Order: sequence, then C-alpha cells, then structure tokens
Amino acid sequence: EAGVAQSPRYKIIEKRQSVAFWCNPISGHATLYWYQQILGQGPKLLIQFQNNGVVDDSQLPKDRFSAERLKGVDSTLKIQPAKLEDSAVYLCASSQRGPGFTGELFFGEGSRLTVL
Amino acid sequence: AQSVTQLGSHVSVSEGALVLLRCNYSSSVPPYLFWYVQYPNQGLQLLLKYTSAATLVKGINGFEAEFKKSETSFHLTKPSAHMSDAAEYFCAVSERGNNRLAFGKGNQVVVIP
Repeated sequence: EAGVAQSPRYKIIEKRQSVAFWCNPISGHATLYWYQQILGQGPKLLIQFQNNGVVDDSQLPKDRFSAERLKGVDSTLKIQPAKLEDSAVYLCASSQRGPGFTGELFFGEGSRLTVL
Repeated sequence: AQSVTQLGSHVSVSEGALVLLRCNYSSSVPPYLFWYVQYPNQGLQLLLKYTSAATLVKGINGFEAEFKKSETSFHLTKPSAHMSDAAEYFCAVSERGNNRLAFGKGNQVVVIP
C-alpha cells in the first residue's frame, strides 16, 4: 500500500515570495491534515479536511496561508507572502474514519521550507 | 482541549541502558495516546498506541508504554538502547471522536556507544 506522498521535499525561497506544497493521501483515507513542525518543536495542526470540507482551520494564519482539497483527494498548501518564521517542515497526514478508527494518523516525509 | 507535556528536550542514554521518556497528558475525556518516532529527514512513524484496551502497550522495535490514569501519564520505555534508537520521539494525544492529534515538544534521544 502506498503511503502519503508529498512534494517538494525541500524548498528555499526569499521572504515575501510564495510557495506551494502538494500532498496525496493514502487511498481511501477521508481525512487529511497539514501540520507545521518548527525546528525543536512538536508538529502543530494547521488544517484538517474531511473529504473536501474543512473541519478545523483555527490555527491556520489565514492572512498568508491557504489550503484546498479539491475532489476530496489531493491537497495543496500555499503560503503567500512567506515570512522568515514560516521556515519549518510541513507534514501532511491522512487517516481513516468509521467505527474502527482509533486515532492513528499516517504521515508523509514532509516538505522542508527555508525562508531567507 | 487536550495537550501533552514532555520534559527534557535532549536525552542521552548509553548503549544497552534503559530508555525512559516521560509523557503526561491533559484531556477532559478518555484519550487515545500515541508515541511516534521521527528519524532524520523522515516523517513520523507510529511506535505504539493506547486505545483503552490493555494499559501496557507493546510497540515496534522493543518499545512499550504504560497508561496510568491516576498519574495521567504514558511513559515510553525500552530495556536496552541500541544505536539505531537515536531519533526524536513525540508523545501525542487525541480525544476520542475528534480525529486530531496534539503533540508534545519531543525528546531528541542520543545513544552513546
């Protein structure tokens, strides 16, 4: 079974530029998450999708971050304009739903962003 | 809202010695609890999880953790550290039904030969 795919793995941009990250979840997983992991900290949830609807985006800085999940499969996270403090690893994860769900999330390898 | 506390960002352990990583959680309802491991330049991999079955949970690579409700703890242990255990370890909690994980700050484990 293929895992969660993310691209690009690494991206270096200058502040005020824009960047987009792509995620393809595990086939059949209805729930998709974007987490931000700043160096030395645990991952922080940015946004959660259920199919193509947003469940929770309370910690997404909406003035510069946007995310979409068209057709309920792939997702894109965009940052525009980027700030220095956006330097982090952006992790995508997916999970199943249903009576047997026990909370486990499956993570991709992450996209490392460096803002200069 | 649920949260976890992991103390001591860096943990050094000698090869062959006990690995002990502490995690305390806060949750208003019975939680699900998890330990994830992250190797350099890789994503998070599930080590083990507690979902209200046995309180002593065994995971991959010889790790185990015990859920103690009275202490609101879910500490991770391994009897004998290997060099390959060098990684970052995260404790996480979710409230049943909300499908969202809240992570601790992590412990960077260094294994000394």
